Amino acid sequence: GNSVTQMEGPVTLSEEAFLTINCTYTATGYPSLFWYVQYPGEGLQLLLKATKADDKGSNKGFEATYRKETTSFHLEKGSVQVSDSAVYFCALSDQGGSEKLVFGKGTKLTVNP
Amino acid sequence: SAVISQKPSRDICQRGTSLTIQCQVDSQVTMMFWYRQQPGQSLTLIATANQGSEATYESGFVIDKFPISRPNLTFSTLTVSNMSPEDSSIYLCSALPFGNEQFFGPGTRLTVL
Repeated sequence: GNSVTQMEGPVTLSEEAFLTINCTYTATGYPSLFWYVQYPGEGLQLLLKATKADDKGSNKGFEATYRKETTSFHLEKGSVQVSDSAVYFCALSDQGGSEKLVFGKGTKLTVNP
Repeated sequence: SAVISQKPSRDICQRGTSLTIQCQVDSQVTMMFWYRQQPGQSLTLIATANQGSEATYESGFVIDKFPISRPNLTFSTLTVSNMSPEDSSIYLCSALPFGNEQFFGPGTRLTVL
């Protein structure tokens, strides 16, 4: 079945450091890929998405590119801020839309001033 | 977008009892889902709540344990029946507005003693 493997955390960085959180997937067909973020005490929010190969999703300085050849969707940010401290989840939908999401285990990011 | 509320936000329950979680969306949506997030684990889809018909359960989840109702396009309930400590989790509902991404509720943190 479909699955998502996500970089284990926790990750601790200093402010302005470069961030990469690795995500690879296994799926039949052509899933859509997502990064969700959960800030402390808040609900899950969509951070960015990509619906087909070579698409790049971006939001709030975060980027991720849908790489079909490596079945990856790594999350990157060039300069993290303290406010980026959160848990990040990589996910895929198996219908090519936004239905029935399959999630990775989540990566907790802490950014120190 | 969609704003989703859940009640209760948290509860502590005794083994063998049942708890019903409510999920309210501020607009009509095509699909609603229920997820479980066990401690230190990822989100796992329990079922798709279908309006006017029986929910569609994922492998490993059954109606007798997790009965779901969806009487209209903005509301759903999930009951966790005959609870045991293994049911201690965060339960999240999500909604899929017409042709849009999934939005998540804040979650219900359940502890079973």
